Amino acid sequence: KAGVTQTPRYLIKTRGQQVTLSCSPISGHRSVSWYQQTPGQGLQFLFEYFSETQRNKGNFPGRFSGRQFSNSRSEMNVSTLELGDSALYLCASSSEVDTQYFGPGTRLTVL
Amino acid sequence: GENVEQHPSTLSVQEGDSAVIKCTYSDSASNYFPWYKQELGKRPQLIIDIRSNVGEKKDQRIAVTLNKTAKHFSLHITETQPEDSAVYFCAANTGRRALTFGSGTRLQVQP
Repeated sequence: KAGVTQTPRYLIKTRGQQVTLSCSPISGHRSVSWYQQTPGQGLQFLFEYFSETQRNKGNFPGRFSGRQFSNSRSEMNVSTLELGDSALYLCASSSEVDTQYFGPGTRLTVL
Repeated sequence: GENVEQHPSTLSVQEGDSAVIKCTYSDSASNYFPWYKQELGKRPQLIIDIRSNVGEKKDQRIAVTLNKTAKHFSLHITETQPEDSAVYFCAANTGRRALTFGSGTRLQVQP
């Protein structure tokens, strides 16, 4: 099976802009979770979607949002970008059990 | 919420030696504990995981132990090789696909 894919791999934006990141899970996986990775805060959970429904949400402001489509592909959106949003954004997919497999990530730089 | 502490933050061993990384968690409801290896510029890769109904699991040179009473779990790598050099993350999951990660251990295997 093909692994988790994420697009784009790199993004450069300026403060105040918004950005949309995409994640395609492993075929057959219905759960997609999103994480933010930074040198200072490490890996932090953003939210998780299953069958187009957000089931769980981490402690991030409302500027961070997401959605999932009927084919399990997921997008996350960050509005009104801040310098501190610069990070590696990782998505992970899983099937019925807990095991999560990560995508390569999208490196977002906010200038 | 869940809190995971990981030690040490850096670990240097000679090739062929063993390496041990330890994590503690706070939420007694956590029931799934994966370990990820992340090489520079790459995605976190699942190397081994353990569920709360098991005390120990082994996969070739890698083993994980879990002590539910003390709320700690450990990663053991035997006969280390230079390709084991990476950052290792422990994590805990309460079963809702929201992983809480430790801060990471940078393992350096000296040839």
